Amino acid sequence: DSGVTQTPKHLITATGQRVTLRCSPRSGDLSVYWYQQSLDQGLQFLIQYYNGEERAKGNILERFSAQQFPDLHSELNLSSLELGDSALYFCASTPPHSRTGELFFGEGSRLTVL
Amino acid sequence: AQKITQTQPGMFVQEKEAVTLDCTYDTSDPSYGLFWYKQPSSGEMIFLIYQGSYDQQNATEGRYSLNFQKARKSANLVISASQLGDSAMYFCAMREDFQTGANNLFFGTGTRLTVIP
Repeated sequence: DSGVTQTPKHLITATGQRVTLRCSPRSGDLSVYWYQQSLDQGLQFLIQYYNGEERAKGNILERFSAQQFPDLHSELNLSSLELGDSALYFCASTPPHSRTGELFFGEGSRLTVL
Repeated sequence: AQKITQTQPGMFVQEKEAVTLDCTYDTSDPSYGLFWYKQPSSGEMIFLIYQGSYDQQNATEGRYSLNFQKARKSANLVISASQLGDSAMYFCAMREDFQTGANNLFFGTGTRLTVIP
Protein backbone atom coordinates (compact mmCIF):
# COMPACT_ATOMS: atom_id res chain seq x y z
CA ASP A 1 0.00 0.00 0.00
CA SER A 2 1.65 3.21 -1.23
CA GLY A 3 -0.53 5.48 0.91
CA VAL A 4 -1.94 7.27 -2.14
CA THR A 5 -5.69 6.82 -2.41
CA GLN A 6 -7.63 7.08 -5.63
CA THR A 7 -11.37 6.89 -6.20
CA PRO A 8 -13.22 5.49 -7.97
CA LYS A 9 -11.27 2.37 -8.90
CA HIS A 10 -13.46 1.69 -11.91
CA LEU A 11 -15.74 3.96 -13.89
CA ILE A 12 -17.82 3.26 -16.97
CA THR A 13 -19.44 6.13 -18.79
CA ALA A 14 -20.61 7.24 -22.22
CA THR A 15 -19.09 9.52 -24.82
CA GLY A 16 -19.76 13.18 -24.23
CA GLN A 17 -20.03 12.77 -20.47
CA ARG A 18 -17.94 14.32 -17.72
CA VAL A 19 -16.23 12.52 -14.83
CA THR A 20 -14.16 13.49 -11.83
CA LEU A 21 -11.33 11.39 -10.46
CA ARG A 22 -10.15 11.99 -6.93
CA CYS A 23 -6.77 11.52 -5.32
CA SER A 24 -5.49 11.84 -1.76
CA PRO A 25 -1.70 11.95 -1.54
CA ARG A 26 0.36 10.33 1.19
CA SER A 27 0.31 12.14 4.49
CA GLY A 28 2.87 14.95 4.38
CA ASP A 29 3.31 14.92 0.61
CA LEU A 30 2.68 18.28 -1.01
CA SER A 31 3.04 17.28 -4.67
CA VAL A 32 0.45 15.45 -6.71
CA TYR A 33 0.99 14.14 -10.21
CA TRP A 34 -1.53 12.78 -12.69
CA TYR A 35 -0.61 10.22 -15.33
CA GLN A 36 -2.62 8.53 -18.04
CA GLN A 37 -1.81 4.97 -19.10
CA SER A 38 -3.36 3.81 -22.35
CA LEU A 39 -2.48 0.96 -24.67
CA ASP A 40 -1.40 3.19 -27.54
CA GLN A 41 0.21 6.08 -25.64
CA GLY A 42 1.82 4.29 -22.72
CA LEU A 43 2.32 6.24 -19.49
CA GLN A 44 1.88 9.93 -20.14
CA PHE A 45 2.41 12.72 -17.64
CA LEU A 46 -0.59 15.00 -17.49
CA ILE A 47 -0.09 17.59 -14.78
CA GLN A 48 1.60 18.29 -11.44
CA TYR A 49 0.46 20.34 -8.47
CA TYR A 50 2.54 21.45 -5.53
CA ASN A 51 0.81 22.73 -2.42
CA GLY A 52 -2.21 23.91 -4.37
CA GLU A 53 -0.36 25.50 -7.28
CA GLU A 54 0.10 24.09 -10.75
CA ARG A 55 3.80 23.23 -11.14
CA ALA A 56 4.12 21.49 -14.50
CA LYS A 57 1.94 20.56 -17.41
CA GLY A 58 2.41 17.64 -19.74
CA ASN A 59 0.22 16.16 -22.43
CA ILE A 60 -3.05 17.22 -20.89
CA LEU A 61 -5.93 17.87 -23.24
CA GLU A 62 -7.93 21.10 -23.00
CA ARG A 63 -10.99 18.97 -22.17
CA PHE A 64 -9.18 17.88 -19.01
CA SER A 65 -8.55 20.01 -15.96
CA ALA A 66 -7.26 19.47 -12.49
CA GLN A 67 -6.90 21.22 -9.19
CA GLN A 68 -5.40 20.65 -5.77
CA PHE A 69 -7.37 21.74 -2.75
CA PRO A 70 -6.15 23.24 0.56
CA ASP A 71 -6.30 19.82 2.19
CA LEU A 72 -3.95 18.68 -0.63
CA HIS A 73 -6.32 16.23 -2.24
CA SER A 74 -6.59 16.60 -5.98
CA GLU A 75 -9.26 16.10 -8.59
CA LEU A 76 -8.89 15.42 -12.29
CA ASN A 77 -11.90 16.46 -14.35
CA LEU A 78 -12.42 14.87 -17.75
CA SER A 79 -15.15 16.34 -19.95
CA SER A 80 -16.65 15.71 -23.38
CA LEU A 81 -15.32 12.20 -23.09
CA GLU A 82 -14.26 10.31 -26.19
CA LEU A 83 -13.62 6.62 -26.72
CA GLY A 84 -9.89 7.33 -26.78
CA ASP A 85 -10.00 8.66 -23.23
CA SER A 86 -10.47 5.11 -21.96
CA ALA A 87 -7.37 4.50 -19.87
CA LEU A 88 -5.95 3.90 -16.44
CA TYR A 89 -5.44 7.21 -14.66
CA PHE A 90 -2.82 7.29 -11.96
CA CYS A 91 -2.23 9.77 -9.24
CA ALA A 92 1.16 9.89 -7.55
CA SER A 93 2.76 11.90 -4.79
CA THR A 94 6.27 12.52 -3.57
CA PRO A 95 7.54 13.69 -0.21
CA PRO A 96 9.11 17.13 0.10
CA HIS A 97 12.92 17.16 0.20
CA SER A 98 13.12 13.63 -1.15
CA ARG A 99 16.64 12.75 -2.34
CA THR A 100 15.42 10.41 -5.02
CA GLY A 101 12.19 12.12 -6.07
CA GLU A 102 10.55 8.71 -6.14
CA LEU A 103 6.87 8.85 -6.99
CA PHE A 104 4.41 6.83 -4.94
CA PHE A 105 1.52 5.77 -7.13
CA GLY A 106 -2.07 5.07 -6.24
CA GLU A 107 -3.81 1.98 -7.58
CA GLY A 108 -5.32 3.97 -10.43
CA SER A 109 -8.79 4.73 -11.69
CA ARG A 110 -9.77 2.69 -14.70
CA LEU A 111 -12.02 4.70 -16.99
CA THR A 112 -14.00 3.03 -19.74
CA VAL A 113 -15.83 5.24 -22.21
CA LEU A 114 -18.50 3.46 -24.25
CA ALA B 1 13.23 11.91 -29.66
CA GLN B 2 12.22 9.40 -27.05
CA LYS B 3 13.67 10.17 -23.65
CA ILE B 4 13.45 6.55 -22.51
CA THR B 5 13.78 3.54 -24.81
CA GLN B 6 12.99 -0.01 -23.81
CA THR B 7 13.63 -2.23 -26.81
CA GLN B 8 12.38 -5.52 -25.35
CA PRO B 9 8.58 -5.73 -25.50
CA GLY B 10 8.69 -9.14 -23.84
CA MET B 11 11.20 -11.32 -22.04
CA PHE B 12 11.13 -14.84 -20.68
CA VAL B 13 13.29 -16.18 -17.89
CA GLN B 14 13.51 -19.49 -16.11
CA GLU B 15 12.69 -19.45 -12.43
CA LYS B 16 15.81 -18.91 -10.26
CA GLU B 17 17.77 -17.52 -13.20
CA ALA B 18 18.91 -13.90 -13.59
CA VAL B 19 17.49 -11.58 -16.25
CA THR B 20 18.49 -8.18 -17.59
CA LEU B 21 15.94 -5.67 -18.81
CA ASP B 22 17.36 -3.00 -21.08
CA CYS B 23 16.83 0.73 -20.83
CA THR B 24 18.53 3.59 -22.66
CA TYR B 25 17.85 7.23 -22.07
CA ASP B 26 18.39 10.52 -23.81
CA THR B 27 19.00 13.77 -22.01
CA SER B 28 21.31 16.76 -22.09
CA ASP B 29 20.51 17.60 -18.48
CA PRO B 30 23.67 17.18 -16.35
CA SER B 31 21.60 16.05 -13.39
CA TYR B 32 18.94 13.40 -13.65
CA GLY B 33 17.51 10.38 -11.92
CA LEU B 34 16.65 6.97 -13.28
CA PHE B 35 13.96 4.72 -11.88
CA TRP B 36 12.52 1.28 -12.42
CA TYR B 37 8.92 0.47 -11.62
CA LYS B 38 7.07 -2.85 -11.66
CA GLN B 39 3.44 -3.13 -12.72
CA PRO B 40 1.83 -6.50 -11.93
CA SER B 41 -1.38 -7.56 -13.61
CA SER B 42 -3.33 -5.93 -10.78
CA GLY B 43 -2.24 -2.58 -12.19
CA GLU B 44 -0.46 -0.74 -9.40
CA MET B 45 2.95 0.83 -10.00
CA ILE B 46 5.60 -0.36 -7.56
CA PHE B 47 8.92 1.46 -7.19
CA LEU B 48 11.92 -0.87 -7.39
CA ILE B 49 15.17 1.04 -7.60
CA TYR B 50 16.71 4.48 -8.17
CA GLN B 51 20.01 5.68 -9.64
CA GLY B 52 21.13 9.28 -9.56
CA SER B 53 23.30 10.60 -12.38
CA TYR B 54 26.05 11.54 -9.92
CA ASP B 55 25.94 8.31 -7.95
CA GLN B 56 29.31 6.61 -8.21
CA GLN B 57 28.11 3.10 -7.51
CA ASN B 58 25.41 1.05 -9.16
CA ALA B 59 22.24 0.92 -7.10
CA THR B 60 21.12 -2.33 -5.51
CA GLU B 61 17.91 -3.23 -3.68
CA GLY B 62 17.68 -6.85 -2.65
CA ARG B 63 17.44 -8.96 -5.81
CA TYR B 64 17.35 -5.84 -7.99
CA SER B 65 20.42 -4.06 -9.25
CA LEU B 66 20.82 -1.31 -11.78
CA ASN B 67 23.67 -1.55 -14.28
CA PHE B 68 24.34 2.14 -14.88
CA GLN B 69 26.61 2.98 -17.79
CA LYS B 70 26.59 6.74 -18.03
CA ALA B 71 28.68 7.10 -21.18
CA ARG B 72 26.36 4.70 -23.01
CA LYS B 73 23.28 6.30 -21.42
CA SER B 74 21.98 2.96 -20.33
CA ALA B 75 20.35 1.91 -17.08
CA ASN B 76 19.61 -1.79 -17.29
CA LEU B 77 17.72 -3.57 -14.53
CA VAL B 78 19.11 -6.90 -13.37
CA ILE B 79 16.82 -9.24 -11.45
CA SER B 80 18.64 -12.12 -9.80
CA ALA B 81 17.12 -15.45 -8.79
CA SER B 82 13.84 -14.81 -10.60
CA GLN B 83 10.63 -15.78 -8.88
CA LEU B 84 7.19 -16.47 -10.31
CA GLY B 85 5.96 -13.30 -8.64
CA ASP B 86 8.38 -11.28 -10.77
CA SER B 87 6.14 -11.80 -13.80
CA ALA B 88 4.94 -8.27 -14.58
CA MET B 89 5.50 -5.21 -16.75
CA TYR B 90 8.65 -3.29 -15.93
CA PHE B 91 9.03 0.40 -16.71
CA CYS B 92 12.18 2.46 -16.85
CA ALA B 93 11.72 6.17 -16.11
CA MET B 94 13.78 9.32 -15.92
CA ARG B 95 13.56 12.63 -14.10
CA GLU B 96 15.45 15.63 -15.48
CA ASP B 97 16.45 17.98 -12.69
CA PHE B 98 17.00 21.22 -14.56
CA GLN B 99 15.30 21.09 -17.94
CA THR B 100 11.77 20.62 -16.74
CA GLY B 101 12.06 22.27 -13.35
CA ALA B 102 9.59 19.75 -12.06
CA ASN B 103 9.77 16.27 -10.67
CA ASN B 104 7.67 14.48 -13.26
CA LEU B 105 8.99 11.24 -14.69
CA PHE B 106 9.23 10.22 -18.34
CA PHE B 107 8.45 6.55 -18.81
CA GLY B 108 9.49 4.00 -21.39
CA THR B 109 7.05 1.68 -23.10
CA GLY B 110 7.81 -1.18 -20.76
CA THR B 111 9.00 -4.77 -20.92
CA ARG B 112 6.70 -7.63 -20.04
CA LEU B 113 8.64 -10.23 -18.08
CA THR B 114 7.36 -13.77 -17.80
CA VAL B 115 9.00 -16.15 -15.36
CA ILE B 116 8.74 -19.78 -16.41
CA PRO B 117 8.56 -22.46 -13.69
